[in-house]
Amino acid sequence: RKEVEQDPGPFNVPEGATVAFNCTYSNSASQSFFWYRQDCRKEPKLLMSVYSSGNEDGRFTAQLNRASQYISLLIRDSKLSDSATYLCVVSRPGNTGKLIFGQGTTLQVKP
Amino acid sequence: GAGVSQSPRYKVAKRGQDVALRCDPISGHVSLFWYQQALGQGPEFLTYFQNEAQLDKSGLPSDRFFAERPEGSVSTLKIQRTQQEDSAVYLCASSLTSGPQETQYFGPGTRLLVL
Repeated sequence: RKEVEQDPGPFNVPEGATVAFNCTYSNSASQSFFWYRQDCRKEPKLLMSVYSSGNEDGRFTAQLNRASQYISLLIRDSKLSDSATYLCVVSRPGNTGKLIFGQGTTLQVKP
Repeated sequence: GAGVSQSPRYKVAKRGQDVALRCDPISGHVSLFWYQQALGQGPEFLTYFQNEAQLDKSGLPSDRFFAERPEGSVSTLKIQRTQQEDSAVYLCASSLTSGPQETQYFGPGTRLLVL
């Protein structure tokens, strides 16, 4: 079983739709949580950190449930430019900052 | 400003050849990471440097993989006697300091194909 699990999709949605991605992690000692975005044949880029209280950045909302070891990302009013792979990421305990990535969920927004 | 750069961007090697992949982190960044990304998968951690010290190499898949950062800036990942299963994108990332909350900035990666 992978340490971070995501549904790989693809999720095909029309422009303007709301879409939600979920991920679970198995190491209860995981310290920090992130969503990264990766465009086709490009490097991953940080989309947002995820905090226990939940956080929002424009059309993007991230939630963390430590008790259930569950992370979510909600995208409202999807744009064509949101088409990408979204990687759920946790960092291991300790001070190195080593990141553990999920497989990624592919989103395709269609006109 | 300049981001993380990697070279070569593409490398084709015959099975059994040695390869060397270079990473130039963002200037002043203390932490440097190497990840391996297979097709359709998320990146997987290989090794971590804090300045010139290699503090974690637990992700290196075999003793054919070796990484160094001798002066605490540029890093090289070397793969000896390449095998077909080594075909992947090798990503380098750097962060200003160490710690779980630090943002890691990724380079464009080196696509390695072993024939």
